[in-house]
Amino acid sequence: DQQVKQNSPSLSVQEGRISILNCDYTNSMFDYFLWYKKYPAEGPTFLISISSIKDKNEDGRFTVFLNKSAKHLSLHIVPSQPGDSAVYFCAASDGGGGADGLTFGKGTHLIIQP
Amino acid sequence: EAGVAQSPRYKIIEKRQSVAFWCNPISGHATLYWYQQILGQGPKLLIQFQNNGVVDDSQLPKDRFSAERLKGVDSTLKIQPAKLEDSAVYLCASSRGQGKLFFGSGTQLSVL
Repeated sequence: DQQVKQNSPSLSVQEGRISILNCDYTNSMFDYFLWYKKYPAEGPTFLISISSIKDKNEDGRFTVFLNKSAKHLSLHIVPSQPGDSAVYFCAASDGGGGADGLTFGKGTHLIIQP
Repeated sequence: EAGVAQSPRYKIIEKRQSVAFWCNPISGHATLYWYQQILGQGPKLLIQFQNNGVVDDSQLPKDRFSAERLKGVDSTLKIQPAKLEDSAVYLCASSRGQGKLFFGSGTQLSVL
């Protein structure tokens, strides 16, 4: 059973527009959420995170929103740039942002069109 | 700061052979993780070390997979014997224990 779900395998967005990537989770014990970005032949790199005590976290062009009642989070990228083309993974843990291992979704391949 | 180092980058073996992967985490990171990423899937945690002790190996297929982290620094992951379904990218990650994991580039394993 998948505890972290990313239901869109791919998403195509025009350069300069907003990219919205969605993620749903089923485990109500999850209390820390992260987004990772992955280019081909490289390991995932950390993008942004959010604790369950917040509903929004912003870092430059990237904002993550958390809706705990719906068990849903989203990543907004504004404006989208060509370098944002990558696979984005949603991840979660139940360790309060500690050292616990992460549970990942299957990823969404974001393609930024010029 | 140097990143997580992994070797080899690629490995091709035949089924029933054995293979080993090596990982050197970021200096000072006490926690080390091995993940398996099958094509089209997200990374799946195989084993987590805190210093040289195992914290979580609940998803490690212990009949064929083994891992060790001697002296609390480098780690090796071994598969013996390999099966076709072990074809995947094996990712090593480390952290200071604050939620954010730093990943290496991975070892792509093909089992023929």
